[in-house]
Amino acid sequence: QVQLQESGPGLVKPSETLSLTCTVSGASVSSHIYFWSWIRQPPGKGLEWIGYIYYSGTTNYNPSLKSRVTISADTSKNQFSLDLSSVTAADTAVYYCASNVVFAHLDSWGQGTLVTISS
Amino acid sequence: QAVLTQPSSLSASPGASASLTCTLRSGINAGTYRIYWYQQKPGSPPQYLLNYKSDSDKQQGSGVPSRFSGSKDVSANAGIFLISGLRSEDEADYYCMVWHSSAVVFGGGTKLTVL
Repeated sequence: QVQLQESGPGLVKPSETLSLTCTVSGASVSSHIYFWSWIRQPPGKGLEWIGYIYYSGTTNYNPSLKSRVTISADTSKNQFSLDLSSVTAADTAVYYCASNVVFAHLDSWGQGTLVTISS
Repeated sequence: QAVLTQPSSLSASPGASASLTCTLRSGINAGTYRIYWYQQKPGSPPQYLLNYKSDSDKQQGSGVPSRFSGSKDVSANAGIFLISGLRSEDEADYYCMVWHSSAVVFGGGTKLTVL
């Protein structure tokens, strides 16, 4: 059973970079079986997929966020991370990390962390 | 136009059936896609329920009751999520999802009210 836990600041200033980390247990981020994803959900709104990273370092991002997003992995810590640059109030959301067998359903989710963009 | 469109809300009575639709954008053939369904309750992450590609190619999530099922309406270019024997605990937001061009796409979600 894969378990994931998000961590990072809950408050980020506009124009700065939002940085979150997802710590994985029960599986390795070096596994070729899984994609490691970030998804967000603005308060009261729907889910938005941000992107994923694969063990090879291959990434795929939502085209609407691609210019601002970087997802990376630290195999020594069994973590993967999200950087979202030039944030605005529209980036205020609960951010989830999740995993899935390649091109299958998202089966393991973190509990989510609320990030508020405000000065 | 969004890749996946869901009605924003649906109401149904306890014991009744509820049919939630997920319409694929014109030009994207629903028949070729595997459609995934998730349930989300307030304050919790989404939970995977099931996926459906065809009657011979579908999977129920672990522990997901059989009164939850999937299908397609090919003429409407849509995936269907059906809940039979509605219970109060089924009140939640439901999202459909597909893999499109190697990326995850979610529908906007349907808020199901059981009253």
